[in-house]
Amino acid sequence: KAGVTQTPRYLIKTRGQQVTLSCSPISGHRSVSWYQQTPGQGLQFLFEYFSETQRNKGNFPGRFSGRQFSNSRSEMNVSTLELGDSALYLCASSLGGFGTGELFFGEGSRLTVL
Amino acid sequence: QKEVEQDPGPLSVPEGAIVSLNCTYSNSAFQYFMWYRQYSRKGPELLMYTYSSGNKEDGRFTAQVDKSSKYISLFIRDSQPSDSATYLCAMPGGYNKLIFGAGTRLAVHP
Repeated sequence: KAGVTQTPRYLIKTRGQQVTLSCSPISGHRSVSWYQQTPGQGLQFLFEYFSETQRNKGNFPGRFSGRQFSNSRSEMNVSTLELGDSALYLCASSLGGFGTGELFFGEGSRLTVL
Repeated sequence: QKEVEQDPGPLSVPEGAIVSLNCTYSNSAFQYFMWYRQYSRKGPELLMYTYSSGNKEDGRFTAQVDKSSKYISLFIRDSQPSDSATYLCAMPGGYNKLIFGAGTRLAVHP
């Protein structure tokens, strides 16, 4: 069974640009959540999607957005990039439903903003 | 004050040592608790999942929860170099939202 796939794995952008990251969940998983990991703040929740609907959102500015497609694949977008957006962005998938089940994480997309 | 506090370490121990990793939390509504392990350049993976106070054992790993003190622990017996990783405690905060501790970096040297 294939795991969670994130693309691209590494990318470099400059301030003011925007970026789109992609996540393909484990087959059969309907929930996709996104996390930002930095040395200073650790792992922080961005948002969660289930059946194309955002159910939960973390405390990030509106520059961070996401969406989920009918095949459960998800994308997140960061507009007007800032230096502080440099981080590892992790996607996690789960079966979904209510509560919090086991999350399966991808290897992440490492974003560097210059 | 963060909802989940965890000493980031690093922690360095010799092979075979017993390792104790700890987290405290402030929200008494948390009902279950998780430990994730993250190897370098990888995503976190679930290690242990406990619902209630007391101990849960899985091989060399034991998770302990003390709800009265809002304190959770992960013990690793007979630690191996392959256990070298960052260990993150996590608690649920809504639909598939996990609130993570800072993570403790562990190095087990031969």
